[in-house]
Amino acid sequence: AQSVTQLDSQVPVFEEAPVELRCNYSSSVSVYLFWYVQYPNQGLQLLLKYLSGSTLVKGINGFEAEFNKSQTSFHLRKPSVHISDTAEYFCAVSENTGNQFYFGTGTSLTVIP
Amino acid sequence: SQTIHQWPATLVQPVGSPLSLECTVEGTSNPNLYWYRQAAGRGLQLLFYSVGIGQISSEVPQNLSASRPQDRQFILSSKKLLLSDSGFYLCAWRTRMNTEAFFGQGTRLTVV
Repeated sequence: AQSVTQLDSQVPVFEEAPVELRCNYSSSVSVYLFWYVQYPNQGLQLLLKYLSGSTLVKGINGFEAEFNKSQTSFHLRKPSVHISDTAEYFCAVSENTGNQFYFGTGTSLTVIP
Repeated sequence: SQTIHQWPATLVQPVGSPLSLECTVEGTSNPNLYWYRQAAGRGLQLLFYSVGIGQISSEVPQNLSASRPQDRQFILSSKKLLLSDSGFYLCAWRTRMNTEAFFGQGTRLTVV
């Protein structure tokens, strides 16, 4: 069975500082990995995804993530955050042979002016 | 292009009343469909998913049920709402190639 752990429920960071949001997963088979962003009272928007190939994945809004199979991690990073990056971020995992799509508990990123 | 419609956007219902939330997808065929609930501090909990008409998989035993009467229609229902059913409900779809999921705008349900 799959599970997704987001280690930080809240992350405050100053504007223009770098940020890393952590995500670890557990699965007995190969997986697809995703990061989504959610603004208040809205649905989820895909930031980036790892399906195969290069372990460093670049997404929208300057975000990137690195798949580390040995550490079963998929941490999200941005070198310089903006006020507009304040939102909830979710990591998600899907096994490449299954239909379920599971999310972590989310990380609330607050960018401080 | 594909779109997903979810309604209503907000809903206030008394305890014990029935519930029906509808989700429809346009621009794709045979999608996998999903219902999630988001409660404060608990992330997104997968409630149901469906790989075809009439095929429903339940992830969490609860007061809710789901149905898929048509290929691109997914309905979340309850016969009698509980206070604990309050939350933000999200519908999503994905292709059968197991790629990313696409989400509707959600329904904010408050049970009073």
